[in-house]
Amino acid sequence: DPKIIQKPKYLVAVTGSEKILICEQYLGHNAMYWYRQSAKKPLEFMFSYSYQKLMDNQTASSRFQPQSSKKNHLDLQITALKPDDSATYFCASSQPGLDYAEQFFGPGTRLTVL
Amino acid sequence: AQSVTQPDARVTVSEGASLQLRCKYSSSGTPYLFWYVQYPRQGLQLLLKYYSGDPVVQGVNGFEAEFSKSNSSFHLRKASVHWSDSAVYFCVLSGGNTGGLSGKLTFGEGTQVTVIS
Repeated sequence: DPKIIQKPKYLVAVTGSEKILICEQYLGHNAMYWYRQSAKKPLEFMFSYSYQKLMDNQTASSRFQPQSSKKNHLDLQITALKPDDSATYFCASSQPGLDYAEQFFGPGTRLTVL
Repeated sequence: AQSVTQPDARVTVSEGASLQLRCKYSSSGTPYLFWYVQYPRQGLQLLLKYYSGDPVVQGVNGFEAEFSKSNSSFHLRKASVHWSDSAVYFCVLSGGNTGGLSGKLTFGEGTQVTVIS
């Protein structure tokens, strides 16, 4: 059974629209993260949450807003979508407070903005 | 600022041959280092990690890596590759001056490994 679920797997959106990427983890972790993998760029850290509180935000734009409705959920809302937002977005989780703790990654959501 | 450099974007190796992937890191604090692998159309999986102790760490599927503080390196090795090892390999850095609060991982650019028969 998948331990980290990301929905949808593929997403196509038009410029200016808004989308929500879903992430649920069933590993019992208290820290969750979002990363972005754009073409020809390394994976980039976006956000980290610990016990449903924002710990770090490395995203320059306020168009990206994480939402944690439950302990094991961390969704990502993206507003006013732009073609440059096209990327694969990965959710991850780990035990919090340990920099050497393994982060487990979900399968990703591939977003294409036309 | 933390950074990771993987100088080889692509590596092609014959099945059964040995493999070494290079990784250099820069960290202002104690580095915690990982190698992750991404198989086609899949998420990332941890191969191995280093945070202290013996500089040679063993991972899954016969992979090992060697940490060198003097060279700021964390190279990955495998003695004999299989066709199923074809994937993208990422060297990853955590820790440093975050105090364990952020959990931010810094990724290298990745090395695409192709195993040919």
